[in-house]
Amino acid sequence: DTGVSQDPRHKITKRGQNVTFRCDPISEHNRLYWYRQTLGQGPEFLTYFQNEAQLEKSRLLSDRFSAERPKGSFSTLEIQRTEQGDSAMYLCASSFGWAGFYNEQFFGPGTRLTVL
Amino acid sequence: GQQLNQSPQSMFIQEGEDVSMNCTSSSIFNTWLWYKQEPGEGPVLLIALYKAGELTSNGRLTAQFGITRKDSFLNISASIPSDVGIYFCAGMGAGNQFYFGTGTSLTVIP
Repeated sequence: DTGVSQDPRHKITKRGQNVTFRCDPISEHNRLYWYRQTLGQGPEFLTYFQNEAQLEKSRLLSDRFSAERPKGSFSTLEIQRTEQGDSAMYLCASSFGWAGFYNEQFFGPGTRLTVL
Repeated sequence: GQQLNQSPQSMFIQEGEDVSMNCTSSSIFNTWLWYKQEPGEGPVLLIALYKAGELTSNGRLTAQFGITRKDSFLNISASIPSDVGIYFCAGMGAGNQFYFGTGTSLTVIP
């Protein structure tokens, strides 16, 4: 296994367009996280899945954002009607854990979104 | 979202020097992680800490989980040019979210 992968690595879009990103976690990991990172800041939590269930969503995740993990493996993050403020690096991370046990998260390389 | 206080914000050091950085939180955490990030890439996990007072090493890196559970520090000994990057701490409390620090940018001068 080569780790967490994300596709695409870069996306340039015009304001108002929809975009979708994909994350493939490490195969035995049951937890998957999405983060957003802007320049000069640390990653900020967006949402988290345990298997196929989306268990937590940040207030940062507006109605224009939706994430899915339909079979408990890969996940997609869609942003509808993109705005210039959505420009950021979108990071995916995965880990193995269960209630009361939290294992370390491994990150993918990220998708850099630029909204013109 | 919550961000942890990380200091210093940036460091410029000579190759061979030791480096110390720390991270503080107003909340108690059960897990601390330290990551390194290079431009255009995702963070890479360096060290994970799970118990207050725990001291863990990974090569030239040593990290400690503060006994108050509100802080952690990372030391790098005998720095080399490839240590250049941004170092982030991350803490997890009772919930399922990791909160990240604001980062320490390290520059190593050969």
